[in-house]
Amino acid sequence: QQQVKQSPQSLIVQKGGISIINCAYENTAFDYFPWYQQFPGKGPALLIAIRPDVSEKKEGRFTISFNKSAKQFSLHIMDSQPGDSATYFCAALIQGAQKLVFGQGTRLTINP
Amino acid sequence: DVKVTQSSRYLVKRTGEKVFLECVQDMDHENMFWYRQDPGLGLRLIYFSYDVKMKEKGDIPEGYSVSREKKERFSLILESASTNQTSMYLCASRPTGRGYSNQPQHFGDGTRLSIL
Repeated sequence: QQQVKQSPQSLIVQKGGISIINCAYENTAFDYFPWYQQFPGKGPALLIAIRPDVSEKKEGRFTISFNKSAKQFSLHIMDSQPGDSATYFCAALIQGAQKLVFGQGTRLTINP
Repeated sequence: DVKVTQSSRYLVKRTGEKVFLECVQDMDHENMFWYRQDPGLGLRLIYFSYDVKMKEKGDIPEGYSVSREKKERFSLILESASTNQTSMYLCASRPTGRGYSNQPQHFGDGTRLSIL
């Protein structure tokens, strides 16, 4: 019930393409869904986040799509660039709690 | 800017040793966290602390303990290191009482620990 399942584990996309990473959850008490981006040798950093009362959130080239009925959410990176090559983690949080539940991570490589 | 500093980037220890990983944050955050990161398993919470001397087990606390004597410092202790504790360890902090969108967890850059 506390799990967040993320796929794919690794992804290779050509420069300029769209990168899509998917996550699914079971616990309907989750009400905050952040995505973290991690570059090699660095800790994860918050990239973008969404609450379940909206179906989409866009920040620049990064978009979260949220499907509450399916209990799924995804990260879309438009016009993917080599500088986007990183590991991406989805996560989920219960309101008022401190503990994030993380997905398994996706290693994204953007080929020039 | 929030800064979470982990004392070592790389550490090599031997089986059976007692190992200390140190983490310091400079933003007076109440909450601090220790995770381990393994390929294909994501970030798994070991312990977290919501105040000085307070701690709570995460998902994988076995073989670990923690210490928080001062607000800015959170230590992870491997009581008797084993090879299956070879991993990347990440520390994070965040304040209490603010929305996550305004104050997410801030991570250190990690300690890569090898147990031989």
